[in-house]
Amino acid sequence: NAGVTQTPKFRVLKTGQSMTLLCAQDMNHEYMYWYRQDPGMGLRLIHYSVGEGTTAKGEVPDGYNVSRLKKQNFLLGLESAAPSQTSVYFCASSFAGDTEAFFGQGTRLTVV
Amino acid sequence: QKEVEQDPGPLSVPEGAIVSLNCTYSNSAFQYFMWYRQYSRKGPELLMYTYSSGNKEDGRFTAQVDKSSKYISLFIRDSQPSDSATYLCAIRSNDYKLSFGAGTTVTVRA
Repeated sequence: NAGVTQTPKFRVLKTGQSMTLLCAQDMNHEYMYWYRQDPGMGLRLIHYSVGEGTTAKGEVPDGYNVSRLKKQNFLLGLESAAPSQTSVYFCASSFAGDTEAFFGQGTRLTVV
Repeated sequence: QKEVEQDPGPLSVPEGAIVSLNCTYSNSAFQYFMWYRQYSRKGPELLMYTYSSGNKEDGRFTAQVDKSSKYISLFIRDSQPSDSATYLCAIRSNDYKLSFGAGTTVTVRA
């Protein structure tokens, strides 16, 4: 049982490039979340989804898009990467809105 | 103003000391209160979870919630070097967003 898997684990992008981060969970969870973690800022919610085909904006959604076409996958896209998007990105999922959220191992993204 | 404010630390304590961590929140609609522990270069893992005011104990860990003051705390008794990590408070609102504090890094010295 893999839990929550994030792909890739590391990436370096040039300013203006695009990329997609993939989050996959095998626990049949309804809720999925994307966070970014920066020093001194904690985890900030980018976007989240309460079920297949649904997405909602979090605290810091600008510059990111998401899709939840399949229940087990939640994709985070950066259309035109900026140095301010250098961060560690975490995906999380939970069975319901009031249950434990399980986190992936993170993706370290550097935009130069 | 952030929805969840956490004492920034860092904290350094000797082995066996009591560690006290605190958060405040602004939205009275918040329903569920959690503490996560994050080791270096790892994802956060749930440590404690409660949805009511009062205390909840789990071994050496006690989570305390005061909804009237919008204040939550985590106490670690008889702290061990293996408790060295970043501790994040997390609060879930009615719309199921999960909001985190900035985290407090704790170092327990052997």
